[in-house]
Amino acid sequence: LAKTTQPISMDSYEGQEVNITCSHNNIATNDYITWYQQFPSQGPRFIIQGYKTKVTNEVASLFIPADRKSSTLSLPRVSLSDTAVYYCLVGSASGGSYIPTFGRGTSLIVHP
Amino acid sequence: EAGVTQFPSHSVIEKGQTVTLRCDPISGHDNLYWYRRVMGKEIKFLLHFVKESKQDESGMPNNRFLAERTGGTYSTLKVQPAELEDSGVYFCASSQGLGLALNTGELFFGEGSRLTVL
Repeated sequence: LAKTTQPISMDSYEGQEVNITCSHNNIATNDYITWYQQFPSQGPRFIIQGYKTKVTNEVASLFIPADRKSSTLSLPRVSLSDTAVYYCLVGSASGGSYIPTFGRGTSLIVHP
Repeated sequence: EAGVTQFPSHSVIEKGQTVTLRCDPISGHDNLYWYRRVMGKEIKFLLHFVKESKQDESGMPNNRFLAERTGGTYSTLKVQPAELEDSGVYFCASSQGLGLALNTGELFFGEGSRLTVL
């Protein structure tokens, strides 16, 4: 399974754009990159998923360079409610079983 | 549509006792996962069901843990006998079946069951 490396923590202010980068040097050809968000006392919640280039949804954007060895989650204009832990996962459904593997995640704190 | 529900939300038991955690996945989801987070550690995979079959149970810590998914609907995770190191939050997640080889599928997590073993 590909291992991911993320910053342990980040601080930001309301209204700023936040970019969280994840390294996954051992990513396999079939692996997708998925980001989850987790608030205290809740389960992780899916944010975005991509395979290559750029993916955008109503919550975030995901930038993946050509070599796919890293990815960047971009949160536009964060608010206090975006304070959470963000996890980067890589994995594929090869062999019929997809097992998302969590790393330590990045604790984002948004300040007023 | 109801999400993934877990019961109980919190359980406090003494060492040596038995606890059974229950997870009701989203209706129609073939895949059901159990994860565990021990305090200060990462969220760790325990096992994966596809319908009623155990697809991967490589993360189960030892034989004190027994997971079942009879009929391919809800799942239970029993810890017997519980030890102090079993304390943590147990998460259940479900996802739809994988139709394509490259489709990873979004996982929907429950709120977790917090287990405290004294």
